[in-house]
Amino acid sequence: DADVTQTPRNRITKTGKRIMLECSQTKGHDRMYWYRQDPGLGLRLIYYSFDVKDINKGEISDGYSVSRQAQAKFSLSLESAIPNQTALYFCATSETGTGLKETQYFGPGTRLLVL
Amino acid sequence: QKEVEQNSGPLSVPEGAIASLNCTYSDRGSQSFFWYRQYSGKSPELIMFIYSNGDKEDGRFTAQLNKASQYVSLLIRDSQPSDSATYLCAVNTGFQKLVFGTGTRLLVSP
Repeated sequence: DADVTQTPRNRITKTGKRIMLECSQTKGHDRMYWYRQDPGLGLRLIYYSFDVKDINKGEISDGYSVSRQAQAKFSLSLESAIPNQTALYFCATSETGTGLKETQYFGPGTRLLVL
Repeated sequence: QKEVEQNSGPLSVPEGAIASLNCTYSDRGSQSFFWYRQYSGKSPELIMFIYSNGDKEDGRFTAQLNKASQYVSLLIRDSQPSDSATYLCAVNTGFQKLVFGTGTRLLVSP
């Protein structure tokens, strides 16, 4: 079974719709992250959470919100989707600590298309 | 200046050759350095971690770190077509987050 899962894997939506992407993990990690990946732009951090009560904005948080429902669950919402939010979205987790513990483990990704 | 820079490629090498991938970073306080491999349409997966100056070898992969010059490289010996992927460099910038480069696309031709 996958350690980090994302649902849905693919989603097509229309401009203005609210959508939620969900991430669950069985790795027991405290830290969770949401990234988007666009061709030529690499992975860009949207939000991150170091524990259930901790939520932080990343470099591109505008237009997004998150919810950390439990240690194992971290959801990303697009309040009113727009076409330039079309991208591949990844959830990742890591342990608390330094060095190798900072390794981030990625889910399979959600491919989102906003029409 | 971007925090982590990589040549986007593609870097083309013949099967059996050594592929050399480079990454530079701007934060002198960075302590941890990661190389991820990402196949097209798939998620990144860790292949190497290094934190000390010098070389670290794991099978066909060698990571090299030079903190004075602020670069980290990845060598892939005996390159195989299955090594064709995008390689992402990631650096801890001291704020307990990793910053990723945009990746170098590697193509290994049979």
